[in-house]
Amino acid sequence: RKEVEQDPGPFNVPEGATVAFNCTYSNSASQSFFWYRQDCRKEPKLLMSVYSSGNEDGRFTAQLNRASQYISLLIRDSKLSDSATYLCVVIPSGSARQLTFGSGTQLTVLP
Amino acid sequence: ETGVTQSPTHLIKTRGQQVTLRCSSQSGHNTVSWYQQALGQGPQFIFQYYREEENGRGNFPPRFSGLQFPNYSSELNVNALELDDSALYLCASSLGGPTNERFFGPGTRLTVL
Repeated sequence: RKEVEQDPGPFNVPEGATVAFNCTYSNSASQSFFWYRQDCRKEPKLLMSVYSSGNEDGRFTAQLNRASQYISLLIRDSKLSDSATYLCVVIPSGSARQLTFGSGTQLTVLP
Repeated sequence: ETGVTQSPTHLIKTRGQQVTLRCSSQSGHNTVSWYQQALGQGPQFIFQYYREEENGRGNFPPRFSGLQFPNYSSELNVNALELDDSALYLCASSLGGPTNERFFGPGTRLTVL
């Protein structure tokens, strides 16, 4: 079983739609959680951290459910510029605290 | 721009050859980690250096090795290249610590023929 699993997509949605991505992680001792965004042939960039209380940044809302080991990202009012691959990222316990990535979910927002 | 640079941007090698990839971290960052991203996959952790010492390693064979220099720049060396080593190699710099943001460089795209 992969450490971090995501819906593979692709998701093709019209502008203005609301889209949700899900992610599960296997290591219950994981400490930190993030969503990264990666544009085609570019490096990943931090979109937002994810907290148990849930957090919102403009049109983006992230949720963490530690009991279910589940992370979600909700994008409201999708824009063409939201088209990218969204990577669910977990930091497991351990000294290096390396980023453990899911395989990503590809989103295309259509005009 | 993240301030993290990598060189070269693209590289073509043949099986069995050796390659060295370079990364300059963002000013003041003392931690550099390397990731391999195969097509259609998320990045996979190779190893991490903190103040010139390796302090974590992923599930990669010993032919993947690295260095961090006193100025915190870093190298990734891969010996005896295999076709499956073809990927985007990303380095990320940070100040260390459990949740400090990592800043990724643009990557080096390696093709092994």
